[in-house]
Amino acid sequence: DVVMTQSPLSLPVTLGQPASMSCRSSQSLVHSDGNTYLNWFQQRPGQSPRRLIYKVSNRDSGVPDRFSGSGSGTDFTLKISRVEAEDVGVYYCMQGTHWPWTFGQGTKVDI
Amino acid sequence: EVQLVESGGDLVQPGGSLRLSCEVSGFTFSSHWMHWVRQAPGKGLVLVSRIKGDGSWTDYADSVKGRFTISRDNAKNTLYLQMNSLTAEDTAMYYCARDHYGYNSVDCWGQGTLVTVSS
Repeated sequence: DVVMTQSPLSLPVTLGQPASMSCRSSQSLVHSDGNTYLNWFQQRPGQSPRRLIYKVSNRDSGVPDRFSGSGSGTDFTLKISRVEAEDVGVYYCMQGTHWPWTFGQGTKVDI
Repeated sequence: EVQLVESGGDLVQPGGSLRLSCEVSGFTFSSHWMHWVRQAPGKGLVLVSRIKGDGSWTDYADSVKGRFTISRDNAKNTLYLQMNSLTAEDTAMYYCARDHYGYNSVDCWGQGTLVTVSS
């Protein structure tokens, strides 16, 4: 299985300041169809996960534009341009290129 | 509005069985692959199983293969997960999630149902 490794595991942030987290895969996430299926999910305390980003950099409907995804191959990044209080939670990357789809262990963001 | 509502979670003894359900609304259920994802207490997310829209194809994580069975009733807009030979390692919140067709992803999640395996 593809191992997804996130860093840091804990990310203290300051309101209004930028934040960045990394996700690395043990194999390239470029699919045979040419697409890279890397997703980012947010899980706020006590809630279900919510997808923020799909195919590396595409924001879901309703996701604030302060969230952005980037990367290629095996290295990916989620950035928050200006952290807000509602961004507290755990962020997971997930690859959908190789079955079984696998998640990273999560980056916990707190103020 | 898309909704996924899980039910069936409970406290069960090791070696026991349980069937989870996920009733959906707000979209054409039969057009979507569906997934079960679990999260052990304080841990990360693990994809457990998935099923094609017409029920003709299923996949399982190695950790549940041979013990869990995913199925669906498209007439009832309901997804199921039959869990047998449960162990403490199966203790988790179980989420159903809708596949985002063509994007190798899941785009909507239920609120989850808690399964606790303990004597």
